Parts: sequence; C-alpha cells; structure tokens
Amino acid sequence: GAVVSQHPSWVICKSGTSVKIECRSLDFQATTMFWYRQFPKQSLMLMATSNEGSKATYEQGVEKDKFLINHASLTLSTLTVTSAHPEDSSFYICSARQGPHSYEQYFGPGTRLTVT
Amino acid sequence: QKEVEQNSGPLSVPEGAIASLNCTYSDRGSQSFFWYRQYSGKSPELIMFIYSNGDKEDGRFTAQLNKASQYVSLLIRDSQPSDSATYLCAVMNSGYSTLTFGKGTMLLVSP
Repeated sequence: GAVVSQHPSWVICKSGTSVKIECRSLDFQATTMFWYRQFPKQSLMLMATSNEGSKATYEQGVEKDKFLINHASLTLSTLTVTSAHPEDSSFYICSARQGPHSYEQYFGPGTRLTVT
Repeated sequence: QKEVEQNSGPLSVPEGAIASLNCTYSDRGSQSFFWYRQYSGKSPELIMFIYSNGDKEDGRFTAQLNKASQYVSLLIRDSQPSDSATYLCAVMNSGYSTLTFGKGTMLLVSP
C-alpha cells in the first residue's frame, strides 16, 4: 500500500517552455503533498508544501510564480515549471502524507527534467 | 536555519560487517527522525523512524537517538552489497511538520 506515482518519469524541454509534472497517491488520500528538488550529489531540498484545496506554502527562495503548484484533489498534485531555463534542470520528487498526524511521507519515483 | 549534518563518505565496509552512519541536527525542537535509503537515480525509500531517546531495532537496522547530544545514528548489521546506497537522515520539527534532509552518506559494501 501507500504508493505514489509521478508522471512523466523524465522530460526534456526547450528553454522558455513550461512543463507540468503530476504526482498521484494511488491507494490513499493525501491531505498534504510535498515537492522537492534534488541537484546531483546534493540532498533533497523542499520547494513547497501543498494541502488539498488551499494555496501552496513555498520555502524561502522558491519563486511561486515560476513553480506553480495545484493540489486540486486528495490524490493529485501538479507542479508546473514555467518559462524553464537550463538551471531548472534537476530531479523533482513529490511525496504525500496521509493525514496531519502521520509521520511518514511516501515518495514518488521522481521526474528528471532537462532543459536545453 | 535548521541544519542536518552528515558525513558525505563514502563509507566503505566489507560484506558482513556493521556499518555505522551518523547524523547531527541543529534544531532542539525536532521531534521525529528518519532514515531513508536512496539508490542512484531513484527517489528515497524509508528505512525507519525514531522519536524516543534510545535504540529502535528493525531487522538488520538499528536507529539510535540522543536528543541531548542532538545525534541520530543508523547501524546496519551484516551489511550486504545491496545495501550500497546513499543514506539520508531527515528531521521533522513538530511545529512545522516538514522534513529537513541531510546531504547523505554514501555507503559502499564490498563483497
């Protein structure tokens, strides 16, 4: 149980275009989803926290107008990278938590974004 | 600024040995502590979590927590080559409910 999927698993896009990444909880309802970014040989950096039906909370230094997050349902959150640039190339990972008092975050398999 | 520190490694151990991975954290208000394993190119997978001082055992893994010293460790007994991965320590603050990750320690288990 507790499976989180991401789509696509990898994507290549041209500089200036936008890319949407989907994160789905397949067998549970996720009240909270998290978006992380990981550069090579670096740790996971939390970008934002999203709760179903409300605006996402962005971490300091993350541009909310560039990284649009929508958590429209209890099983789906999307991250849209707008006007992507080569420096946005990274491994984007989402995670989901079942409830506000749940300790565990279930991670999706990640999306490798390359901006050319 | 909440910080989680880990030695980047690599930590090299022979097969069958005990691997000891360490982590320190800066926020005294932290309540829960997690160890994740991450294979290259993959997302993290949870090994175990601990929130009380002392030891917690799960199979070949033992997590140790010392809140006074702000120190968490993970012991892997009977290490296997398949344990070769990067181990991430993550800390959750009760007020914020988000995880702060360390940079991870790379473990190499040689046959």
